[in-house]
Amino acid sequence: DSGVTQTPKHLITATGQRVTLRCSPRSGDLSVYWYQQSLDQGLQFLIQYYNGEERAKGNILERFSAQQFPDLHSELNLSSLELGDSALYFCASSAGLSSYNSPLHFGNGTRLTVT
Amino acid sequence: TQLLEQSPQFLSIQEGENLTVYCNSSSVFSSLQWYRQEPGEGPVLLVTVVTGGEVKKLKRLTFQFGDARKDSSLHITAAQTGDTGLYLCAGSNYGQNFVFGPGTRLSVLP
Repeated sequence: DSGVTQTPKHLITATGQRVTLRCSPRSGDLSVYWYQQSLDQGLQFLIQYYNGEERAKGNILERFSAQQFPDLHSELNLSSLELGDSALYFCASSAGLSSYNSPLHFGNGTRLTVT
Repeated sequence: TQLLEQSPQFLSIQEGENLTVYCNSSSVFSSLQWYRQEPGEGPVLLVTVVTGGEVKKLKRLTFQFGDARKDSSLHITAAQTGDTGLYLCAGSNYGQNFVFGPGTRLSVLP
């Protein structure tokens, strides 16, 4: 058990809809990272928050947004969903500013299916 | 953008066999990690290597970082069905977040 909790485990929704994915980091970790994993793209970094502030941005679409709350949990909002957004979405947490010197701990993901 | 390639993409072997998977890049990394991801779960960190030529062992798994720090290999001796999973390498340069390769999907058959 990594200590990182993601909800929901599965999500099925229709094109054009909006969904929110939730992540609770490991106790004591200040950084939260969001990744998208699809069969053809591998594990793609979306965005990182550190102690409530956006720290780094990856390949995140404008239709997607995230935030980290004062209690350090994070939410990833996906809007105007398209079929191609179907993927596994992972949250990871780490203690420090960068995964370079503090290991990532991954949750078990949310599987999003857009129909 | 630093890109990582992994080979082979898929590998299916019998229990007891040995195997090696590779992670390559045209870029130099100051640190490289290997993860294993089992079905329905998130990736789990196996090892971090930081010195060119470094070799680390974790039971039946041997990890090597290339001398030029552009490539790495993972060798598994006497594979077991519990080794089945997606093996991901990830590279980073000083202070930057890690970038992941596409993975090698390993299936160990009984």
